[in-house]
Amino acid sequence: DTGVSQDPRHKITKRGQNVTFRCDPISEHNRLYWYRQTLGQGPEFLTYFQNEAQLEKSRLLSDRFSAERPKGSFSTLEIQRTEQGDSAMYLCASSLVRAPSSYEQYFGPGTRLTVT
Amino acid sequence: AQSVTQLDSQVPVFEEAPVELRCNYSSSVSVYLFWYVQYPNQGLQLLLKYLSGSTLVESINGFEAEFNKSQTSFHLRKPSVHISDTAEYFCAVTTGWGKLQFGAGTQVVVTP
Repeated sequence: DTGVSQDPRHKITKRGQNVTFRCDPISEHNRLYWYRQTLGQGPEFLTYFQNEAQLEKSRLLSDRFSAERPKGSFSTLEIQRTEQGDSAMYLCASSLVRAPSSYEQYFGPGTRLTVT
Repeated sequence: AQSVTQLDSQVPVFEEAPVELRCNYSSSVSVYLFWYVQYPNQGLQLLLKYLSGSTLVESINGFEAEFNKSQTSFHLRKPSVHISDTAEYFCAVTTGWGKLQFGAGTQVVVTP
């Protein structure tokens, strides 16, 4: 399988705990995106990387959230001191910036976080 | 900034009947438009996209969408749905290689 993978698929944690999610993009893709999707809503952009550089962060990404892509390959998203409002599906996507462009983003299966 | 409005949160439809999912967007610059489909407990899959050229775009599984610049719309249609088309459908826009801006989604429920 050469698609985008995410780990874990499900995470249940208690309020106040820290959690970390991992995303492995399609191997040659140089852009990696994180989105959050709550029930009944479309995905909302959190942040994206070009190689290892974090190029944009949403206002949704509070100080408790941090994302890294240290070697320009996989990425991690950490949430510190989780709150019940953090319960959501966290989606990762990747794309290859090239010409001609298709602007298509390929999504992983997501990590569903439940904060109790 | 861009925004996307999907006018219907849920669309019930009988098998083999046609379906139309409405999507309107607003943007002060040119955008590229996408429809994604999400099956239960899965990630999003690209259904079709409009980048330029012909305003009518088609997917391999019978869906089509028409870009209407004057009405800022990108409605999705299928002339005859199958049970397997039951899913949530998201319209999205981007100005380029940055973030996608999604609508709230339309749940399509196909019944026999």
